[in-house]
Amino acid sequence: AQSVTQPDIHITVSEGASLELRCNYSYGATPYLFWYVQSPGQGLQLLLKYFSGDTLVQGIKGFEAEFKRSQSSFNLRKPSVHWSDAAEYFCAVGLSGTYKYIFGTGTRLKVLA
Amino acid sequence: DTAVSQTPKYLVTQMGNDKSIKCEQNLGHDTMYWYKQDSKKFLKIMFSYNNKELIINETVPNRFSPKSPDKAHLNLHINSLELGDSAVYFCASSQGRSGSGELFFGEGSRLTVL
Repeated sequence: AQSVTQPDIHITVSEGASLELRCNYSYGATPYLFWYVQSPGQGLQLLLKYFSGDTLVQGIKGFEAEFKRSQSSFNLRKPSVHWSDAAEYFCAVGLSGTYKYIFGTGTRLKVLA
Repeated sequence: DTAVSQTPKYLVTQMGNDKSIKCEQNLGHDTMYWYKQDSKKFLKIMFSYNNKELIINETVPNRFSPKSPDKAHLNLHINSLELGDSAVYFCASSQGRSGSGELFFGEGSRLTVL
């Protein structure tokens, strides 16, 4: 069965520190991979996506993610976190040929001043 | 100009009542969705419509009835509300079938059932 796992429920980092949020997926075909961010009281906004090609993808707000097929992972990174990055982050897989998207359970990021 | 808009943003109601949430998108997308986000932030697909046709209907109680009058609108009606229906309901839209289209989300409708 298809699934997306985000092992870290909460992460706390200091402002200016680097960040890595983990995402692992289980899907038999080539995945379409997404990272979304949800600020409090808001809907989800796309940060970046991977379909094919270069396994390192750049997104908005200085985020990047790397697709590693051998590890079934799509980890999100940012070299220097800003206080405004505090939010909930969701990894998702789009199932090719369908209308279905499976979301991970989210990682809540807290940023210390 | 909001791409995906939902109304109302907040609903507080008593158990047993009926309520509706409306959603409209102005992106020209052909597919719209309802997702439920529970108190632990877990997002679960409920329904999806493509060009007014129901294409995803997950294991949702039949008290929930979606309706898509046209491809820009998707409404959700809930009968006989229960405490467990309390959640944030998100409408979303996308273009294309491949699973590769970005989902555009509304701001959510927070339903509280007392």
